[in-house]
Amino acid sequence: SQTIHQWPATLVQPVGSPLSLECTVEGTSNPNLYWYRQAAGRGLQLLFYSVGIGQISSEVPQNLSASRPQDRQFILSSKKLLLSDSGFYLCAWSPTGTAGYTFGSGTRLTVV
Amino acid sequence: GQQLNQSPQSMFIQEGEDVSMNCTSSSIFNTWLWYKQDPGEGPVLLIALYKAGELTSNGRLTAQFGITRKDSFLNISASIPSDVGIYFCAGGIQGAQKLVFGQGTRLTINP
Repeated sequence: SQTIHQWPATLVQPVGSPLSLECTVEGTSNPNLYWYRQAAGRGLQLLFYSVGIGQISSEVPQNLSASRPQDRQFILSSKKLLLSDSGFYLCAWSPTGTAGYTFGSGTRLTVV
Repeated sequence: GQQLNQSPQSMFIQEGEDVSMNCTSSSIFNTWLWYKQDPGEGPVLLIALYKAGELTSNGRLTAQFGITRKDSFLNISASIPSDVGIYFCAGGIQGAQKLVFGQGTRLTINP
């Protein structure tokens, strides 16, 4: 069966520090991968998605970047965090663009 | 781009009541999905709909894919405390690489 792992669960980082969040999927190959951000009690904002190794589509211009160095690995990064980067970050995978996503358990990022 | 209008934004009900929420769009979708998010967790898929007019149940949950392909509803019967959370609808378009999500319905239940 397929599983998705996302870590860390919580992170407190100072303004101006770098960020690296990792997401890995097991039990499938060539998945579509997604990074979402969710403000407290709000909706899901799509940040990046990838349909293959090295292929990244950015949805919202921002202080973040994404990379897919391996088929089942998706990384969200920032060189210098801003206070506005705080939020709940969710990784998800799907076999296709229209099939249901499976979400990870999320990372709560607080920038102080 | 495509947008989904999900309503209501929030609901405050008594335990045991039935719940109804819906999503509408001006665009046609080929798939409709309903998710539930518990506090501090990632959303979990509840029901997936793939055919216009399809009515699908999952325990106390029932969802329908609108005949026009532009809407979907989710009903929860006899609500219980563990139904609390945020419910999201999502639509998929053939050939697209991503789903479109509604803004969510926050469900609060008074015991």
